[in-house]
Amino acid sequence: GQNIDQPTEMTATEGAIVQINCTYQTSGFNGLFWYQQHAGEAPTFLSYNVLDGLEEKGRFSSFLSRSKGYSYLLLKELQMKDSASYLCAVEGNAGNMLTFGGGTRLMVKP
Amino acid sequence: EAGVAQSPRYKIIEKRQSVAFWCNPISGHATLYWYQQILGQGPKLLIQFQNNGVVDDSQLPKDRFSAERLKGVDSTLKIQPAKLEDSAVYLCASSSLDPGLAVYNEQFFGPGTRLTVL
Repeated sequence: GQNIDQPTEMTATEGAIVQINCTYQTSGFNGLFWYQQHAGEAPTFLSYNVLDGLEEKGRFSSFLSRSKGYSYLLLKELQMKDSASYLCAVEGNAGNMLTFGGGTRLMVKP
Repeated sequence: EAGVAQSPRYKIIEKRQSVAFWCNPISGHATLYWYQQILGQGPKLLIQFQNNGVVDDSQLPKDRFSAERLKGVDSTLKIQPAKLEDSAVYLCASSSLDPGLAVYNEQFFGPGTRLTVL
């Protein structure tokens, strides 16, 4: 089975940096996705990590350590529009089936 | 490129009634997924199709939920009869690659159908 843990809520200030952690215990692992989901909207893709290390994409970066079962999403230069839920999802060995964590609701304050 | 389409966007029914949701994936996407997302939680996979065949339906409550993808394109998800705990957003997603390949494969989500069971 899969067990994926993320903090439920985080608050940060506009312009700051925030790190959202995700730990996982899975029976199979192919890679890890991060999705962003604004309230009432569909999840949208942010990043995918399959190898250990940091993947940078503009203001967003994602890190993976397969040996530790750990990932984080780093958001820099926070903007008000970054207020959303951030979902960590593990892709198991069985094709590309995703198991999602509960999501971290990020609130960005002025 | 048009995205994943779903209808209806909202549905309110009473418990024990039946309801059906429709999904049209991105053109050419062979793999289609139905997820259930309860308020405040992450999406939970209900069923995965590859073309018109079921790849995984281990988390589908088969006593009341059913899904089909007859021609390998559109899909419908049905609940019969509905229970209060079925209140959730039902998300449809699609992706383009064969699930047997261990290759990065992004899933594209539709806007969802918000179901309220009274």
